[in-house]
Amino acid sequence: QKEVEQNSGPLSVPEGAIASLNCTYSDRGSQSFFWYRQYSGKSPELIMFIYSNGDKEDGRFTAQLNKASQYVSLLIRDSQPSDSATYLCAVNPGYGGATNKLIFGTGTLLAVQP
Amino acid sequence: GAVVSQHPSRVICKSGTSVKIECRSLDFQATTMFWYRQFPKKSLMLMATSNEGSKATYEQGVEKDKFLINHASLTLSTLTVTSAHPEDSSFYICSARARTGVDHIYFGEGSWLTVV
Repeated sequence: QKEVEQNSGPLSVPEGAIASLNCTYSDRGSQSFFWYRQYSGKSPELIMFIYSNGDKEDGRFTAQLNKASQYVSLLIRDSQPSDSATYLCAVNPGYGGATNKLIFGTGTLLAVQP
Repeated sequence: GAVVSQHPSRVICKSGTSVKIECRSLDFQATTMFWYRQFPKKSLMLMATSNEGSKATYEQGVEKDKFLINHASLTLSTLTVTSAHPEDSSFYICSARARTGVDHIYFGEGSWLTVV
């Protein structure tokens, strides 16, 4: 079983819609969770991180964490064509600030159609 | 925000030669840096964790004698790909953890290595 799993996509949504990206992880002891956006040929850029169960909102982005289900998601509201990229879910298997070793999923390719 | 710089951004080398990639934290001290490799349309794979002043910790399956990592200062880590082969061609990305403060990791711009 892969440590961090994502649907590779592509996930296609129309402009203005909500894009929902999902991620599951295998290490129940994982403490911190990250969403990165990566444009083709570029380095990942951090969108959000979340530590606690529930929702965390930042602008058009909402991260959701459910540790009991080992599930983390990212919602993008009012999707724009510029949001088209690969979204990488990353998990820190250690306690926050301890190892800082990130395990990445394979990423989900999002395509926002104008 | 914190900035991590990588150099070179692109490099082409001949098979059998060595190439060095630098990773610098420009506005913070990084006690820990990470080196990743990413093949086209694949995810980032952690190669090694580099700690300032000590030996790097390599992930399983990564040859430490082939991928030499040096973290001689709090702002610089280097990855040297020795005796490069075409299968080493990849996107190499470093990231750095700030010594204090925010608990996330800043990525460099990445370095494209092509071995011909």
